[in-house]
Amino acid sequence: KQEVTQIPAALSVPEGENLVLNCSFTDSAIYNLQWFRQDPGKGLTSLLLIQSSQREQTSGRLNASLDKSSGRSTLYIAASQPGDSATYLCAVNETSGSRLTFGEGTQLTVNP
Amino acid sequence: IAGITQAPTSQILAAGRRMTLRCTQDMRHNAMYWYRQDLGLGLRLIHYSNTAGTTGKGEVPDGYSVSRANTDDFPLTLASAVPSQTSVYFCASSRSGGITDTQYFGPGTRLTVL
Repeated sequence: KQEVTQIPAALSVPEGENLVLNCSFTDSAIYNLQWFRQDPGKGLTSLLLIQSSQREQTSGRLNASLDKSSGRSTLYIAASQPGDSATYLCAVNETSGSRLTFGEGTQLTVNP
Repeated sequence: IAGITQAPTSQILAAGRRMTLRCTQDMRHNAMYWYRQDLGLGLRLIHYSNTAGTTGKGEVPDGYSVSRANTDDFPLTLASAVPSQTSVYFCASSRSGGITDTQYFGPGTRLTVL
């Protein structure tokens, strides 16, 4: 059974710092990996989707990498801002459809 | 465009009662999903539907049923609620259910079963 782990569970950084969130998965036979953002009391917003054949995806200050063979992904956030404070979740798709297995998330706080 | 709407926003329910959580999307997405989110367990898939008229079981389907009579609506029913079904429930949709699709999530329903 696929297991997705995110480390650290919580992270607090000062504004302007570059940071890396980590995601690992136990079964490397995945079709894609997605990173989501969840604000308190809200639903999830998709940030980046990396196909299994890709190494990385970028959107603005966000860069996600994927090393499928080692079962790892990282989300890099450049020049962090207080508005980046949220919980970040990674999820893998290991089926021919789009059914996702989620990690528990990393709760990020960016302090002004 | 509203995206995905869920109702109710929150609900307190007595154990043994029947409850239907509603989910509607206006993006004409073919695939829809129901997840529950619990502290320490993350999001887990309950049921999914790749297209209208079809449904499938996810990781934690017991105690829940779904139907997909049309493209827009995907209700989740708890036939006889139990306290372990206390959770936050999220509905999601994706364009075709394919491996390149991003999932879009609703705002969630917070359900408490007493």
